Amino acid sequence: AQSVTQLDSHVSVSEGTPVLLRCNYSSSYSPSLFWYVQHPNKGLQLLLKYTSAATLVKGINGFEAEFKKSETSFHLTKPSAHMSDAAEYFCVRMDSSYKLIFGSGTRLLVRP
Amino acid sequence: DVKVTQSSRYLVKRTGEKVFLECVQDMDHENMFWYRQDPGLGLRLIYFSYDVKMKEKGDIPEGYSVSREKKERFSLILESASTNQTSMYLCASSLTSAIGELFFGEGSRLTVL
Repeated sequence: AQSVTQLDSHVSVSEGTPVLLRCNYSSSYSPSLFWYVQHPNKGLQLLLKYTSAATLVKGINGFEAEFKKSETSFHLTKPSAHMSDAAEYFCVRMDSSYKLIFGSGTRLLVRP
Repeated sequence: DVKVTQSSRYLVKRTGEKVFLECVQDMDHENMFWYRQDPGLGLRLIYFSYDVKMKEKGDIPEGYSVSREKKERFSLILESASTNQTSMYLCASSLTSAIGELFFGEGSRLTVL
């Protein structure tokens, strides 16, 4: 089945250190991939999207993600975490009928 | 900015009650969606609609129905609420399907006792 796997349910980093949230996908073709963020008590917001153009995608708030076909990965990174980055992050892929398939989410904790 | 408004942030209902969750978007989007969010499971699609009076089942439609009488409004209906429907419900809209950018409401947390 075509799916998305987020490898960590929780990630904890110190403020000012790098962030890495891992995502692997399964697909028989190069899919469209997305990262969404959900801050506490809020709806989800699109961070960035990959649609087969450049493999390194830049998003909002300093986040970026790299599409690696050979590794079937789309990891989300940020060079320096900020307290406001604490949230839940969802890796998402689009299936062949344009429906979005969500990963199970990674909760990012940022320590002062 | 696109605004998706869910009428109720928190609801508590009893088993067997009929429940209506309302969602309104203000950007003339064609597509509207209802998701259910549970810890460790991510978001699962319940129903979606690509046009007025049109609806399609998502991945977990059992126990739910929807109504879209006007373009801006998409309602989720639980005909007879059960405890396993206790969850966070998220409504979303998008301009087109191919882009993949959804705009979400803040969610409705339903507790069924």
